[in-house]
Order: sequence, then C-alpha cells, then structure tokens
Amino acid sequence: QKEVEQDPGPLSVPEGAIVSLNCTYSNSAFQYFMWYRQYSRKGPELLMYTYSSGNKEDGRFTAQVDKSSKYISLFIRDSQPSDSATYLCAIYGSNFGNEKLTFGTGTRLTIIP
Amino acid sequence: NAGVMQNPRHLVRRRGQEARLRCSPMKGHSHVYWYRQLPEEGLKFMVYLQKENIIDESGMPKERFSAEFPKEGPSILRIQQVVRGDSAAYFCASSGTTDNQPQHFGDGTRLSIL
Repeated sequence: QKEVEQDPGPLSVPEGAIVSLNCTYSNSAFQYFMWYRQYSRKGPELLMYTYSSGNKEDGRFTAQVDKSSKYISLFIRDSQPSDSATYLCAIYGSNFGNEKLTFGTGTRLTIIP
Repeated sequence: NAGVMQNPRHLVRRRGQEARLRCSPMKGHSHVYWYRQLPEEGLKFMVYLQKENIIDESGMPKERFSAEFPKEGPSILRIQQVVRGDSAAYFCASSGTTDNQPQHFGDGTRLSIL
C-alpha cells in the first residue's frame, strides 16, 4: 500500500463548478498536510498548508483534513480556466523539525471554459 | 526574484557522462531538499541537506548519486556515469530555519540522457 493515495484523474469540469480533490494516507504519524499546484513544465507551487483536523480557507480554496479517517481534501470554488493544472497533496509527520515530504501522484485538472 | 533558483533548466547528457544540477535556496532559507519526478509519477524525495551537512539521504540511490550544500554557494546534486533511467525532472525545495516550515520549490532541471 502506498503511503499516500491520490486519484490521478484526469478530471474535467466546466468553468464555475466546485472542484473536489482528495487524498488518503496510511500512516497516522503524519501531521502536516499541504496542497501544491503544478503547471506544465513548472515547479510545485504551495497553495495550502494545514496541521490540525478541520477546514482552512484561503480565497476560493478550502483545505479539509480528517485525521480520524486519514483523508484530506482540497475544494476549489468558482473554478477558472487558470486553475487547470496538476494538484499534488503532500504530507509529513514530524514534531521534531523539518523533514521530507511524501507526495501523492497528483490529479490533473482541466477547467473547461 | 527571491524564489528557489535552479540551473540549468534543461540538461542533456550522453550515457556515461556526469550531470551537475545546482540549486540556490530562497533568501533566508538554510534547508534544501531534492526530489525527482519521473513521467506520470509523483515527486519522490531524494535528500535533505543543511549547510555542510546531509540530514537525510534515505531516498538517494546508493551509487552514482551525491549531494552537497557547501558553506558558500548553491547546493549541488551530482550524478556520475548517467544512464537512460536517470532521465527525469529534478526539483529542489527550500525551507526556513524554524521547525515545520513549508517547502518552496524551484522550477526544476529536466535531465535528458541520450
């Protein structure tokens, strides 16, 4: 079993729709959760960074963490064509400092005008 | 531009040659991480360095690969005697000095082996 599972898509939705992206993880030691957006031929760009269970909102983006189910989500409201990219979830666990990120494989999202 | 800088952006090598990839972290960051991304796969951790120290190299292949982050200058990922399977995008990330800071990525070096 992979440490982080993410549906690779591709996912296509019409402009203005709500997008839901999800990851599950297996190791309960993971405590820090991130979502990155990656455009073609570019590096991952940090979108959201959360620690605790619950929701965190930033503009059109909401990150949701459910540690009891080991399930994390990213919601995009009022989706725009510029949101078309690959979305990567990333997690790590330490209470003791910085360490490596474990990534999902990424979900390729296309917003159709 | 105060972001993570990687160069070169594209690197072509023939089998058996050496590849050297460079990474300058964001200003004020002293933690550097290298990841590799193969086609249709997610990013895989390779190595985590601080100035003059390798903290975690659990993702580095045992042979041909090495990394350093000297006191002065960029971090270097070195691949000796490259093979076709080394073709990938190599990304560098950096984070700040306090604990649990998020990692910020550069735009990567795309290595092609002929």
